[in-house]
Amino acid sequence: DIQLTQSPSFLSASVGDRVTITCRASQGISSFLGWYLQKPGKAPKLLIYGASTLQSGVPSRFSGSGSGTEFTLTISSLQPEDFATYYCQQLNSYRTFGQGTKVEIK
Amino acid sequence: EMQLVESGGTLVQPGGSLRLSCAASGFIFSGYSMNWVRQAPGKGLEWVAYISSSRSAIYYADSVEGRFTISRDNAKNSLFLQMTSLRAEDTAVYYCARESHSSSSFWFDPWGQGTLVTVSS
Repeated sequence: DIQLTQSPSFLSASVGDRVTITCRASQGISSFLGWYLQKPGKAPKLLIYGASTLQSGVPSRFSGSGSGTEFTLTISSLQPEDFATYYCQQLNSYRTFGQGTKVEIK
Repeated sequence: EMQLVESGGTLVQPGGSLRLSCAASGFIFSGYSMNWVRQAPGKGLEWVAYISSSRSAIYYADSVEGRFTISRDNAKNSLFLQMTSLRAEDTAVYYCARESHSSSSFWFDPWGQGTLVTVSS
């Protein structure tokens, strides 16, 4: 099975900060990777698919990059509504989620 | 508007069974693969099961293989998860999610609001 490891698991940041989250796959997954945001008590929301394609309606401050085994999600200028938990997901072989990265207010 | 609505979650005893449902609307249900994903209290997301649009492909996470069965009724725009031999560690919010694809990727969108399954005596 393909494992996904996100880093960091937790980060503290301020409004306006540039934030980068990394997702590493245990084996190559081409670009079959998505990123989701989840707020407490809510369902996950798709941000990016295909490693770098922004879902319709998602603000352009979110961007994704990478292929193979290493991927990044970048938020160029953190906004108050971005404080949440972020998950990567691979869809190359079955489906797997990373363990999550919680972004909290500094 | 695309919508997924789960139902069927409740308190069940260890060893018991339960059937979850997911009602789809706002899109052509029969044209999409579907998934179940769960989230234990305070924990991360765990993919549970996948079913293709025509039911020709079905996959399960190792943690539920042999105990859970995913199925669908395309005529009724509905997805199901039959859960048996339930354990305390199956306690979670269960989400259904539509799987979309392009020539070079797949993704889950939309998701339902989730239904809570609690396994406890």
